[in-house]
Amino acid sequence: DTAVSQTPKYLVTQMGNDKSIKCEQNLGHDTMYWYKQDSKKFLKIMFSYNNKELIINETVPNRFSPKSPDKAHLNLHINSLELGDSAVYFCASSQPSRGKETQYFGPGTRLLVL
Amino acid sequence: GESVGLHLPTLSVQEGDNSIINCAYSNSASDYFIWYKQESGKGPQFIIDIRSNMDKRQGQRVTVLLNKTVKHLSLQIAATQPGDSAVYFCAERSFNDYKLSFGAGTTVTVRA
Repeated sequence: DTAVSQTPKYLVTQMGNDKSIKCEQNLGHDTMYWYKQDSKKFLKIMFSYNNKELIINETVPNRFSPKSPDKAHLNLHINSLELGDSAVYFCASSQPSRGKETQYFGPGTRLLVL
Repeated sequence: GESVGLHLPTLSVQEGDNSIINCAYSNSASDYFIWYKQESGKGPQFIIDIRSNMDKRQGQRVTVLLNKTVKHLSLQIAATQPGDSAVYFCAERSFNDYKLSFGAGTTVTVRA
């Protein structure tokens, strides 16, 4: 009964490749997020979608493109991967419109770019 | 054990003692605060939250204190157990903003 799930859990790839990470939530939430966690454990918001509409787009290279096919899914596509993209990427979801701001996180995708 | 100041990355605590993890925030418009626990290899897990109209909230073995005057938030863990070893993050949100801003995290290590 995983609330927020991500695939894959580990991703090892070469510089220059294109890769996608998928996220699904079964909590019925309207809002989903992507975060990047660096080697020092700092968590930084990248994107957020509310009802399939982009509402947060932080200063992220345009090689990163989120896509939300429906409310329950938010995928992250990364083009031309660079060494500095190596990090753990977390998906999260919440329902802020109903006063429930708590964000629930997935298990993370560990990306290593060689 | 207690972490003090704006940022102390590690806190070592004897099993059974109480832990205090501190967090300073800068945004006066923040109206919602939350503590997360992140165990090794896992995603952040909700512990407890508090709104700006409160100054204290208690959960199971945890208490969050909010001092809006000095923009300070703390998490107290009673009778710390080995399973409490993790990285703890505070996060804040401004009114009507979807975004949570996270602090740098404090690594808590429980000594047997």
